[in-house]
Amino acid sequence: GESVGLHLPTLSVQEGDNSIINCAYSNSASDYFIWYKQESGKGPQFIIDIRSNMDKRQGQRVTVLLNKTVKHLSLQIAATQPGDSAVYFCAEWQRSGTYKYIFGTGTRLKVLA
Amino acid sequence: KAGVTQTPRYLIKTRGQQVTLSCSPISGHRSVSWYQQTPGQGLQFLFEYFSETQRNKGNFPGRFSGRQFSNSRSEMNVSTLELGDSALYLCASSLGQGRDQPQHFGDGTRLSIL
Repeated sequence: GESVGLHLPTLSVQEGDNSIINCAYSNSASDYFIWYKQESGKGPQFIIDIRSNMDKRQGQRVTVLLNKTVKHLSLQIAATQPGDSAVYFCAEWQRSGTYKYIFGTGTRLKVLA
Repeated sequence: KAGVTQTPRYLIKTRGQQVTLSCSPISGHRSVSWYQQTPGQGLQFLFEYFSETQRNKGNFPGRFSGRQFSNSRSEMNVSTLELGDSALYLCASSLGQGRDQPQHFGDGTRLSIL
């Protein structure tokens, strides 16, 4: 399949372990964030979102943590499965200048059997 | 319900030609955004359309243009193609504009310029 990014940081995790993917965002005024998963040959798929009035939000097997003090976002995946192998992006909603989503460079998650 | 549909999936063009890409949003979604994805630059915002009007624009040259129709379907046009335009072009739709509106992506059009 197509390569989303040739020089992405890679996280290798054993199947069944928990994964933590980190993202630093740029704008302290950003107040809405999304995590996306992109598999080879496909578009980004929405995983979970969080607003800045929250520190933590949980979904099915995923948890997003937001630390506004250090402008840091993390995605935790519990009991990582082979199907979780993909590139993960964070996106922040920029409210200054051009209103748009700014995407992180992405992290490649490899699940080892 | 059906997701975001982009056509064609793959396209090969030569320098100097022009190309039109199509995007059908999720039913009921009125906002459509376009992105360019390359290994070197990642996901870069091109523009956003809402109610047939371009609402926001990224830092791309005027060769990149788009439009949205009354049924929310959108097209993107690139004229005078350059080698550097080779990329995956992604369309994303959302219910409304802007903040607190998760965008849902199609699988993209892979454009290759020879």
